[in-house]
Amino acid sequence: EAGVTQFPSHSVIEKGQTVTLRCDPISGHDNLYWYRRVMGKEIKFLLHFVKESKQDESGMPNNRFLAERTGGTYSTLKVQPAELEDSGVYFCASSVRGWEQFFGPGTRLTVL
Amino acid sequence: AQSVTQPDIHITVSEGASLELRCNYSYGATPYLFWYVQSPGQGLQLLLKYFSGDTLVQGIKGFEAEFKRSQSSFNLRKPSVHWSDAAEYFCAVGARVNDMRFGAGTRLTVKP
Repeated sequence: EAGVTQFPSHSVIEKGQTVTLRCDPISGHDNLYWYRRVMGKEIKFLLHFVKESKQDESGMPNNRFLAERTGGTYSTLKVQPAELEDSGVYFCASSVRGWEQFFGPGTRLTVL
Repeated sequence: AQSVTQPDIHITVSEGASLELRCNYSYGATPYLFWYVQSPGQGLQLLLKYFSGDTLVQGIKGFEAEFKRSQSSFNLRKPSVHWSDAAEYFCAVGARVNDMRFGAGTRLTVKP
Protein backbone atom coordinates (compact mmCIF):
# COMPACT_ATOMS: atom_id res chain seq x y z
CA GLU A 1 0.00 0.00 0.00
CA ALA A 2 1.40 3.38 -1.00
CA GLY A 3 1.95 5.90 1.75
CA VAL A 4 1.20 9.59 1.73
CA THR A 5 3.00 11.28 -1.12
CA GLN A 6 3.82 14.94 -1.58
CA PHE A 7 4.95 16.88 -4.60
CA PRO A 8 7.31 18.54 -5.13
CA SER A 9 9.90 17.47 -2.60
CA HIS A 10 11.60 20.84 -2.88
CA SER A 11 10.53 24.19 -4.28
CA VAL A 12 12.57 27.36 -4.54
CA ILE A 13 10.68 30.49 -5.57
CA GLU A 14 11.07 34.22 -5.35
CA LYS A 15 9.07 36.44 -3.10
CA GLY A 16 5.80 37.39 -4.77
CA GLN A 17 5.52 34.24 -6.82
CA THR A 18 2.89 31.57 -6.46
CA VAL A 19 3.54 27.98 -5.42
CA THR A 20 1.18 25.03 -5.25
CA LEU A 21 1.96 22.01 -3.12
CA ARG A 22 0.22 18.72 -3.64
CA CYS A 23 -0.60 15.90 -1.26
CA ASP A 24 -1.95 12.47 -2.16
CA PRO A 25 -3.24 10.72 0.95
CA ILE A 26 -3.49 7.02 1.50
CA SER A 27 -6.44 5.66 -0.44
CA GLY A 28 -9.56 5.49 1.69
CA HIS A 29 -8.37 8.01 4.26
CA ASP A 30 -11.09 10.61 4.68
CA ASN A 31 -9.05 12.80 7.01
CA LEU A 32 -6.28 14.92 5.54
CA TYR A 33 -4.12 17.40 7.44
CA TRP A 34 -1.59 20.03 6.51
CA TYR A 35 1.21 21.06 8.88
CA ARG A 36 4.17 23.39 8.57
CA ARG A 37 7.55 23.42 10.19
CA VAL A 38 9.48 26.66 10.02
CA MET A 39 13.25 26.12 10.20
CA GLY A 40 14.21 24.56 13.52
CA LYS A 41 10.85 25.24 15.10
CA GLU A 42 7.96 23.03 16.06
CA ILE A 43 5.55 21.50 13.59
CA LYS A 44 2.31 23.49 13.52
CA PHE A 45 -1.16 22.49 12.42
CA LEU A 46 -2.56 24.36 9.43
CA LEU A 47 -5.85 22.71 8.56
CA HIS A 48 -7.92 19.56 8.46
CA PHE A 49 -10.15 18.16 5.72
CA VAL A 50 -12.78 15.50 6.14
CA LYS A 51 -13.32 14.28 2.63
CA GLU A 52 -13.66 17.47 0.58
CA SER A 53 -14.83 19.69 3.45
CA LYS A 54 -12.63 21.88 5.57
CA GLN A 55 -13.18 20.74 9.14
CA ASP A 56 -10.81 23.18 10.74
CA GLU A 57 -8.59 25.80 9.14
CA SER A 58 -7.74 27.68 12.30
CA GLY A 59 -4.01 27.21 11.77
CA MET A 60 -3.82 28.85 8.36
CA PRO A 61 -1.49 31.85 8.74
CA ASN A 62 -3.36 34.31 6.52
CA ASN A 63 -5.41 34.62 3.36
CA ARG A 64 -2.39 34.11 1.13
CA PHE A 65 -2.81 30.41 1.83
CA LEU A 66 -5.56 28.47 0.07
CA ALA A 67 -6.15 24.76 0.51
CA GLU A 68 -8.45 22.61 -1.54
CA ARG A 69 -9.30 18.95 -1.67
CA THR A 70 -10.91 18.02 -4.92
CA GLY A 71 -13.44 15.23 -4.68
CA GLY A 72 -12.09 14.20 -1.32
CA THR A 73 -8.96 12.74 -2.85
CA TYR A 74 -5.73 14.70 -3.27
CA SER A 75 -5.23 18.12 -1.76
CA THR A 76 -3.39 21.23 -2.84
CA LEU A 77 -2.02 24.07 -0.78
CA LYS A 78 -1.43 27.27 -2.72
CA VAL A 79 0.59 30.17 -1.43
CA GLN A 80 -0.03 33.39 -3.36
CA PRO A 81 1.92 35.60 -3.21
CA ALA A 82 4.71 33.91 -1.30
CA GLU A 83 6.63 35.83 1.36
CA LEU A 84 10.01 35.11 2.92
CA GLU A 85 8.43 33.91 6.18
CA ASP A 86 6.55 31.18 4.30
CA SER A 87 9.75 29.18 3.94
CA GLY A 88 9.69 25.88 5.74
CA VAL A 89 8.70 22.26 5.38
CA TYR A 90 5.06 21.57 4.66
CA PHE A 91 3.81 18.18 5.79
CA CYS A 92 0.65 16.42 4.82
CA ALA A 93 -0.89 13.61 6.84
CA SER A 94 -3.92 11.39 6.41
CA SER A 95 -5.90 9.10 8.63
CA VAL A 96 -8.93 6.90 8.83
CA ARG A 97 -9.52 8.00 12.40
CA GLY A 98 -8.03 11.17 13.76
CA TRP A 99 -5.20 10.09 16.00
CA GLU A 100 -3.43 7.51 13.83
CA GLN A 101 -2.01 9.93 11.29
CA PHE A 102 0.33 8.87 8.51
CA PHE A 103 2.67 11.60 7.36
CA GLY A 104 4.18 12.31 4.00
CA PRO A 105 7.87 13.19 3.58
CA GLY A 106 7.11 16.90 3.30
CA THR A 107 7.76 19.63 0.77
CA ARG A 108 10.63 21.96 1.54
CA LEU A 109 9.69 25.46 0.39
CA THR A 110 12.31 28.16 0.10
CA VAL A 111 11.22 31.70 -0.67
CA LEU A 112 14.06 34.00 -1.76
CA ALA B 1 -0.42 28.36 27.42
CA GLN B 2 -0.12 24.94 25.85
CA SER B 3 3.40 24.00 24.87
CA VAL B 4 5.77 21.12 24.33
CA THR B 5 9.44 21.36 25.18
CA GLN B 6 12.16 19.09 23.92
CA PRO B 7 15.18 20.50 25.74
CA ASP B 8 17.79 18.74 23.63
CA ILE B 9 18.14 19.98 20.07
CA HIS B 10 20.83 17.43 19.24
CA ILE B 11 22.05 14.29 21.01
CA THR B 12 24.93 12.01 20.06
CA VAL B 13 25.19 8.49 21.46
CA SER B 14 27.37 5.52 20.66
CA GLU B 15 25.86 2.48 19.02
CA GLY B 16 24.77 0.05 21.69
CA ALA B 17 24.41 2.72 24.35
CA SER B 18 21.13 3.57 26.02
CA LEU B 19 19.06 6.55 24.96
CA GLU B 20 16.65 8.89 26.67
CA LEU B 21 14.98 11.78 24.88
CA ARG B 22 13.18 14.29 27.05
CA CYS B 23 9.78 15.79 26.55
CA ASN B 24 7.95 18.14 28.89
CA TYR B 25 4.57 19.66 28.25
CA SER B 26 2.28 22.32 29.56
CA TYR B 27 -1.40 21.58 29.06
CA GLY B 28 -4.68 22.34 30.79
CA ALA B 29 -5.56 18.69 31.32
CA THR B 30 -3.82 15.39 30.73
CA PRO B 31 -3.52 15.25 26.96
CA TYR B 32 -2.85 12.38 24.66
CA LEU B 33 0.88 11.95 24.16
CA PHE B 34 2.88 10.81 21.16
CA TRP B 35 6.39 10.26 19.89
CA TYR B 36 7.17 10.40 16.18
CA VAL B 37 10.40 9.73 14.30
CA GLN B 38 11.47 11.21 11.00
CA SER B 39 14.27 9.52 9.12
CA PRO B 40 15.95 11.41 6.26
CA GLY B 41 13.66 11.67 3.24
CA GLN B 42 10.79 10.02 5.07
CA GLY B 43 7.58 11.22 6.66
CA LEU B 44 6.98 11.24 10.37
CA GLN B 45 6.31 7.75 11.70
CA LEU B 46 4.40 7.13 14.92
CA LEU B 47 6.60 5.32 17.45
CA LEU B 48 4.13 5.10 20.31
CA LYS B 49 1.23 6.85 21.98
CA TYR B 50 -0.31 7.20 25.42
CA PHE B 51 -4.03 7.68 25.90
CA SER B 52 -4.63 6.20 29.36
CA GLY B 53 -3.80 3.22 31.55
CA ASP B 54 -0.31 1.88 32.11
CA THR B 55 2.07 4.82 32.16
CA LEU B 56 4.88 2.80 30.58
CA VAL B 57 4.13 2.50 26.90
CA GLN B 58 5.83 0.15 24.47
CA GLY B 59 6.29 1.19 20.88
CA ILE B 60 7.83 0.00 17.68
CA LYS B 61 11.55 -0.47 17.02
CA GLY B 62 12.25 -1.28 20.66
CA PHE B 63 11.27 2.15 22.01
CA GLU B 64 9.32 2.83 25.16
CA ALA B 65 8.10 5.96 26.91
CA GLU B 66 6.97 6.72 30.41
CA PHE B 67 4.28 9.22 31.30
CA LYS B 68 4.92 11.00 34.58
CA ARG B 69 1.96 13.17 35.47
CA SER B 70 3.70 14.86 38.39
CA GLN B 71 6.53 16.00 36.15
CA SER B 72 4.42 16.64 33.02
CA SER B 73 6.91 14.54 31.16
CA PHE B 74 6.82 11.82 28.53
CA ASN B 75 10.42 10.75 27.96
CA LEU B 76 11.37 8.31 25.23
CA ARG B 77 13.87 5.53 25.95
CA LYS B 78 15.67 2.74 24.21
CA PRO B 79 18.08 0.38 26.01
CA SER B 80 20.46 -0.14 23.08
CA VAL B 81 20.66 2.22 20.14
CA HIS B 82 21.27 0.98 16.61
CA TRP B 83 22.84 3.03 13.81
CA SER B 84 19.49 2.99 12.00
CA ASP B 85 17.94 4.96 14.87
CA ALA B 86 19.71 8.10 13.69
CA ALA B 87 16.83 10.44 12.88
CA GLU B 88 14.85 13.34 14.26
CA TYR B 89 12.37 12.65 17.03
CA PHE B 90 9.27 14.68 17.81
CA CYS B 91 7.15 14.65 20.92
CA ALA B 92 3.52 15.72 20.47
CA VAL B 93 0.58 16.27 22.80
CA GLY B 94 -3.06 17.08 22.29
CA ALA B 95 -6.56 16.68 23.57
CA ARG B 96 -8.08 17.04 20.12
CA VAL B 97 -6.54 15.89 16.89
CA ASN B 98 -6.68 19.44 15.51
CA ASP B 99 -4.98 20.74 18.62
CA MET B 100 -1.83 18.65 18.48
CA ARG B 101 1.23 20.51 19.65
CA PHE B 102 4.64 19.31 18.54
CA GLY B 103 7.99 19.92 20.10
CA ALA B 104 10.81 21.42 18.07
CA GLY B 105 12.42 18.01 17.65
CA THR B 106 15.60 16.28 18.84
CA ARG B 107 18.12 15.17 16.26
CA LEU B 108 19.87 11.92 17.18
CA THR B 109 23.31 11.06 15.85
CA VAL B 110 24.64 7.54 16.43
CA LYS B 111 28.41 7.06 16.58
CA PRO B 112 29.84 3.74 15.42
